[in-house]
Amino acid sequence: EVQLVESGGGLVQPGGSLRLSCAASGFMFGGYWMSWVRQAPGKGPEWVANIRQDGGERDYVDSVKGRFTISRDNAKNSLYLQMNSLRAEDMAMYYCVREDGWSFEHWGQGALVTVSS
Amino acid sequence: QSVLTQPPSVSAAPGQKVTISCSGSSSSIGDHYISWYQQLPGTAPKLLIYENHKRPSGIPDRFSGSKSDTSATLDITGLQTGDEANYYCVTWARKVFGGGTKLTVL
Repeated sequence: EVQLVESGGGLVQPGGSLRLSCAASGFMFGGYWMSWVRQAPGKGPEWVANIRQDGGERDYVDSVKGRFTISRDNAKNSLYLQMNSLRAEDMAMYYCVREDGWSFEHWGQGALVTVSS
Repeated sequence: QSVLTQPPSVSAAPGQKVTISCSGSSSSIGDHYISWYQQLPGTAPKLLIYENHKRPSGIPDRFSGSKSDTSATLDITGLQTGDEANYYCVTWARKVFGGGTKLTVL
């Protein structure tokens, strides 16, 4: 069974940093593109970033470019999102997602990031 | 404002059929795969349709998708109260989500 378990969410002040982790199990992690998708309270989801199987290609939504970095460790079956210079508008539930078939195939349960002073 | 436009809400009675539209342009939809997601309250979104019309394993055939050059549709037949949820379309062009449609089963 595919499992994606996020951790590392919490309360951070504006301008602060946070690192999210996602532990993957039940599939060959290194064989898939992976994404982070976020959802602000009461809003629809928004794709944030993704990374190729070998980590050699990464892409970001414009609003986080230069502030967020996606990375992965295939040996540890783990996906990461380093978030710097956090803003109020970054406050959201962040989901770790496995891509397949040009879709967001499997989702984790999410990690809540709260940005507030 | 998303490049994909969905009606904010739709409703129908149990057992009936509902259609949820996802409108865009030939550049946002035409040459790109569309997928659909169901989000029940308090849970993560769940993939319903991928590559415009394909269903993942375990998704009943009551759910079906189609696409034209500038729009996509999700049809749900035999509506059940458990289908009450928010539904989102996604274009793989920059992985953009539609604004979402809240389905109410009356």
